[in-house]
Amino acid sequence: GENVEQHPSTLSVQEGDSAVIKCTYSDSASNYFPWYKQELGKRPQLIIDIRSNVGEKKDQRIAVTLNKTAKHFSLHITETQPEDSAVYFCGWGSNYKLTFGKGTLLTVNP
Amino acid sequence: GAGVSQSPSNKVTEKGKDVELRCDPISGHTALYWYRQSLGQGLEFLIYFQGNSAPDKSGLPSDRFSAERTGGSVSTLTIQRTQQEDSAVYLCASRRLADEQFFGPGTRLTVL
Repeated sequence: GENVEQHPSTLSVQEGDSAVIKCTYSDSASNYFPWYKQELGKRPQLIIDIRSNVGEKKDQRIAVTLNKTAKHFSLHITETQPEDSAVYFCGWGSNYKLTFGKGTLLTVNP
Repeated sequence: GAGVSQSPSNKVTEKGKDVELRCDPISGHTALYWYRQSLGQGLEFLIYFQGNSAPDKSGLPSDRFSAERTGGSVSTLTIQRTQQEDSAVYLCASRRLADEQFFGPGTRLTVL
């Protein structure tokens, strides 16, 4: 079956440092890779996504890179701020369905 | 416009009782999803609706779980004879065409 592995499960950084979260997947048919941020007690919200015809996408301090050959994609957050503290989920999908990783708890220490 | 809404926000029930969870998707969103989020776990897919049809029910954990959607809008997730392991946050999401999934705030279910 389909599988997404996400790591690390927890990540603690100092404010201003960069954070990188990586996901690997097995289904080569997947063509859509979103990243969701879930703050404590809140709903998951999309922060960035990438499709399989693109290798990298950037939005201000957030970027996602995709390596289709190796079947992994990564979320990069630069100049981290305390408000970046949350759980981040990667997802992969094709057509209609998304499967999510188990999440990474990011803590940004002031 | 209004986002995805879910009710109730919290539900405490006794083992063996039935519960119904409701999801109101964003107007015009034809696709609707139910997920389960347990402590320390990711977003576990339960079921997907396209309109009123459910082409993918593969994530439902057992036959105690069922869901329906009427009028291409509201959906209810029903859990019969609840067990303690059913305790989790149940999230609903909706999507229009190939756009992103928008999540609701979830229903926190506690089975005593």
